[in-house]
Amino acid sequence: DAGVTQSPTHLIKTRGQHVTLRCSPISGHKSVSWYQQVLGQGPQFIFQYYEKEERGRGNFPDRFSARQFPNYSSELNVNALLLGDSALYLCASSLRLAGANVLTFGAGSRLTVL
Amino acid sequence: GQQLNQSPQSMFIQEGEDVSMNCTSSSIFNTWLWYKQDPGEGPVLLIALYKAGELTSNGRLTAQFGITRKDSFLNISASIPSDVGIYFCAGLNYGGSQGNLIFGKGTKLSVKP
Repeated sequence: DAGVTQSPTHLIKTRGQHVTLRCSPISGHKSVSWYQQVLGQGPQFIFQYYEKEERGRGNFPDRFSARQFPNYSSELNVNALLLGDSALYLCASSLRLAGANVLTFGAGSRLTVL
Repeated sequence: GQQLNQSPQSMFIQEGEDVSMNCTSSSIFNTWLWYKQDPGEGPVLLIALYKAGELTSNGRLTAQFGITRKDSFLNISASIPSDVGIYFCAGLNYGGSQGNLIFGKGTKLSVKP
């Protein structure tokens, strides 16, 4: 079975541009969460979606937005990119909204902002 | 954003040695988790702890949930080369959904030259 898949794996943008990152959860998983991992730090929570509704939001500016589609895949959008947005963006999926032991992470999308 | 205090930041191991790392917080958590992240990969769950005082093992790994609910430790016994990587602790707050984990900054395990 395929795990959590993310695309693109690597991308380079310049300041002020916009980026869209995509995530396909494990088949049957209805919850998708997004995390930002800056080099040398632990992941930081950005969003959680469950059944296409936003169920949690971390301390990130409004430039960050996300959505979940009927097939439970998800997109993370970041507008007006800043140098500080350079990071590994991780997507994680789970069957349910609660129950920490079934959160599975993808390999991430590494974004570099120049 | 909020992060847990994880120590040590890095350590060198020699095959066969035991390894210990810990994580502390100013906040109470009702779930503690330990993850390992290899280069180019996402974090992989190693151990989950759900009760204060709980001691749980997974092969050569042992983790404990502190009595105060504000700390946890992870021990690795008889380390092997594939133990190299970055280990993260993570906590989950009361009432929080599983998507909203608070992570430490990580402990990087490397092989002694």
